[in-house]
Amino acid sequence: GAVVSQHPSRVICKSGTSVKIECRSLDFQATTMFWYRQFPKKSLMLMATSNEGSKATYEQGVEKDKFLINHASLTLSTLTVTSAHPEDSSFYICSAREGQYNQPQHFGDGTRLSIL
Amino acid sequence: KQEVTQIPAALSVPEGENLVLNCSFTDSAIYNLQWFRQDPGKGLTSLLLIQSSQREQTSGRLNASLDKSSGRSTLYIAASQPGDSATYLCAVEEASGSRLTFGEGTQLTVNP
Repeated sequence: GAVVSQHPSRVICKSGTSVKIECRSLDFQATTMFWYRQFPKKSLMLMATSNEGSKATYEQGVEKDKFLINHASLTLSTLTVTSAHPEDSSFYICSAREGQYNQPQHFGDGTRLSIL
Repeated sequence: KQEVTQIPAALSVPEGENLVLNCSFTDSAIYNLQWFRQDPGKGLTSLLLIQSSQREQTSGRLNASLDKSSGRSTLYIAASQPGDSATYLCAVEEASGSRLTFGEGTQLTVNP
């Protein structure tokens, strides 16, 4: 149980393109979804937290107009990287939680984004 | 600001060896601590979650301990196997909310 599906797994596109990444909880309802960014051989950095039906809460230093997050249902959240540039190239990972703080976060397999 | 440190950054051992990975955190006001495994280019697999009121959790060959007052956790792997090769991350969930703060991980290689 507790499977989180993230799609696509890899994206290569030209600078200036907007890219949408989907995160789905397949067998549970995700009260909260999280988006992380990971640089090579570095830890995961939280970008934003989203609750279903409300606006995402962004971490300090993360541009909300650059990284658009939508959590329209209890099983789907999307991250759109708008007008992507090479510096946005990274590994993006989502996670989802069912219920309260004492429940673990379940992670997707990540999306490798490469902007040429 | 919570900071999580993992030592060592990398570890290479022969198959069959027992090993310990270390994690320390600066703010002891946590809800829980989790250990994850990450294979190259992949997402995270949760291994063990220890609530702040607990001292340890076990799953198969894995045992995680938590000393909240000293800000430390260890992950013990018994009888290591080549399939255990991966990066192991620890993360703490802060009392102030649902944020997970991660360490930079320990890259483990188990040689056949």
